[in-house]
Amino acid sequence: SAVISQKPSRDICQRGTSLTIQCQVDSQVTMMFWYRQQPGQSLTLIATANQGSEATYESGFVIDKFPISRPNLTFSTLTVSNMSPEDSSIYLCSAVGAREGEGYTFGSGTRLTVV
Amino acid sequence: SQQGEEDPQALSIQEGENATMNCSYKTSINNLQWYRQNSGRGLVHLILIRSNEREKHSGRLRVTLDTSKKSSSLLITASRAADTASYFCATVSYGNNRLAFGKGNQVVVIP
Repeated sequence: SAVISQKPSRDICQRGTSLTIQCQVDSQVTMMFWYRQQPGQSLTLIATANQGSEATYESGFVIDKFPISRPNLTFSTLTVSNMSPEDSSIYLCSAVGAREGEGYTFGSGTRLTVV
Repeated sequence: SQQGEEDPQALSIQEGENATMNCSYKTSINNLQWYRQNSGRGLVHLILIRSNEREKHSGRLRVTLDTSKKSSSLLITASRAADTASYFCATVSYGNNRLAFGKGNQVVVIP
């Protein structure tokens, strides 16, 4: 199955600044996904990132706050803009498995703390 | 887009015992998947069961799916300390590839 390298693994940021999270996949994947996991909570889908088109955002998430890039089939970035303490979460990227029944592959997550 | 919902109990068991977790969902699904997460890190895919399957095994894992009740269970047999983690079920509906996660179960296996 695909392997996803996600960075940074953690960061502490000042409020009002922005952080860009990168995910590199070791094989070409059609769809990538970005999730947020607030402390002690489950995963909430932010958006679906397709190569060559704008990301599709879930209810409650907007492009101005979470701009996403998907320049090719192996790479995507998520930016958390104008951060506030409420953005402190783990952010994870994911890709659909290439083979039927394979499940999804996840990056190791970015633990963001906004102070 | 919360879909799968587990009973939100935390399980604390002795090594060697079995651990069972349940998951319920609300809409028709293409498949249901179980994931493990250690200490807030990335998720590891454990097993996938399709909507036309009723039971599936993988090593010490056994998953059941009851589409009439819209529920699934994950059984871990002969638990080990390394099984200590959070376990999530997630569903994929027909027509899209988005995973909808449930709340998750925290399992602690005591050596």
